[in-house]
Amino acid sequence: EIVLTQSPGTLSLSPGERATLSCRASQNVRSSYLAWYQQKPGQAPRLLIYGTSSRATGIPDRFSGSGSGTDFSLTISRLEPEDFAVYYCQQYGSSRTFGQGTKVEMK
Amino acid sequence: EVQLLQSGGDLVQPGGSLRLSCAASGFTFTNYAMGWVRQVPGKGLEWVSGISGDAKNTYFSDSVKGRFTISRDNYNYMVYLQMNSLRAEDTAIYYCVSYRYSSSSDFYYGMDIWGQGTTVTVSS
Repeated sequence: EIVLTQSPGTLSLSPGERATLSCRASQNVRSSYLAWYQQKPGQAPRLLIYGTSSRATGIPDRFSGSGSGTDFSLTISRLEPEDFAVYYCQQYGSSRTFGQGTKVEMK
Repeated sequence: EVQLLQSGGDLVQPGGSLRLSCAASGFTFTNYAMGWVRQVPGKGLEWVSGISGDAKNTYFSDSVKGRFTISRDNYNYMVYLQMNSLRAEDTAIYYCVSYRYSSSSDFYYGMDIWGQGTTVTVSS
């Protein structure tokens, strides 16, 4: 099973700031297999990024993904009030696992 | 409207069984694999099970293998999760999801449609 470890656990930032979230895999993950989701309290998750760097339908371009091998990242270029949420990475390879999540909270 | 509408969550005793249902609408059902993801309130997401668009292939996490089965009805746009031998640790919100994987390009398009979630509580 591929274990995904996200860091930091919590990111405290202000609106307008840049957020960089990390997702590290215990084994190589194909770039075509890596996705990111956003979840707000009381809601189902929402797909943000697939294939490491492709934005899902309707996702604003302030969200971007990058990485390869075992190191992937999600960047939010300028935080909007609606971006404060929990973010999960997920891989489609062995066991289709999720990371444990990074909470982006308002400072 | 593209949506997944779930039903079937309940309170069940340890060792009991439960079937979750998920009705899909607004998209070409057979083009999508379907699956289930669960979440203990306040905790992270856990992938549980998946089934290919043609229902020929099924997948399970180690934590549910041998206890849960997944099936789909491509005529009625339904997917089911049959949960047997339930344990307290199966208590969670269960989400029905749809996703696409292209074997020709070896590309995963992510879980792009999520149901509203349904709560399963396993307790005596």
